[in-house]
Amino acid sequence: QQPVQSPQAVILREGEDAVINCSSSKALYSVHWYRQKHGEAPVFLMILLKGGEQKGHEKISASFNEKKQQSSLYLTASQLSYSGTYFCGTDWAGSYQLTFGKGTKLSVIP
Amino acid sequence: NAGVTQTPKFRVLKTGQSMTLLCAQDMNHEYMYWYRQDPGMGLRLIHYSVGEGTTAKGEVPDGYNVSRLKKQNFLLGLESAAPSQTSVYFCASSYVRGQGHEQYFGPGTRLTVT
Repeated sequence: QQPVQSPQAVILREGEDAVINCSSSKALYSVHWYRQKHGEAPVFLMILLKGGEQKGHEKISASFNEKKQQSSLYLTASQLSYSGTYFCGTDWAGSYQLTFGKGTKLSVIP
Repeated sequence: NAGVTQTPKFRVLKTGQSMTLLCAQDMNHEYMYWYRQDPGMGLRLIHYSVGEGTTAKGEVPDGYNVSRLKKQNFLLGLESAAPSQTSVYFCASSYVRGQGHEQYFGPGTRLTVT
């Protein structure tokens, strides 16, 4: 079952913050976050494992709420380079297969 | 290191034609995957492999076949192409170590079936 991402799209001005959510109806083993720029391949950002550990990557961080089966990606002080589509990928059984959400398109404008 | 490479980058097929997409990785990764990406649908897993000589079906396997004869290569075949298979195809690989298994993606193949 495909995880649900929200919002579907968001427009930010440089320096603003954003939160992207990823929800699953099934118990999760791990959640991956990827960013894809137009016409390019998805690029790995971070992985969240069971236990609610928060990970960070520059000014991008994420959390994993095991009780809610939800992960959130936090982008702070956004830069133009953050523009792209963000995908979460969920792994339910530790099988290393990922099911991706439909993506959240983030546009950062000057 | 080249990472993950895909051949070809673009292809146009007529309905009923066949073709093979090649994915190669030089990172000694055990796991390899084929995805298709359609507008508004995200990435959907077609087939995957957990090691040389093994393959398994993903979410949308119908109309595709795969083979992994060598650890570094993963082939995706379309025996009789259909317009519904028009898509961007991405290959990915991962090295399962500890609790990390991030996937590294190739640049993609844009396939159009007319």
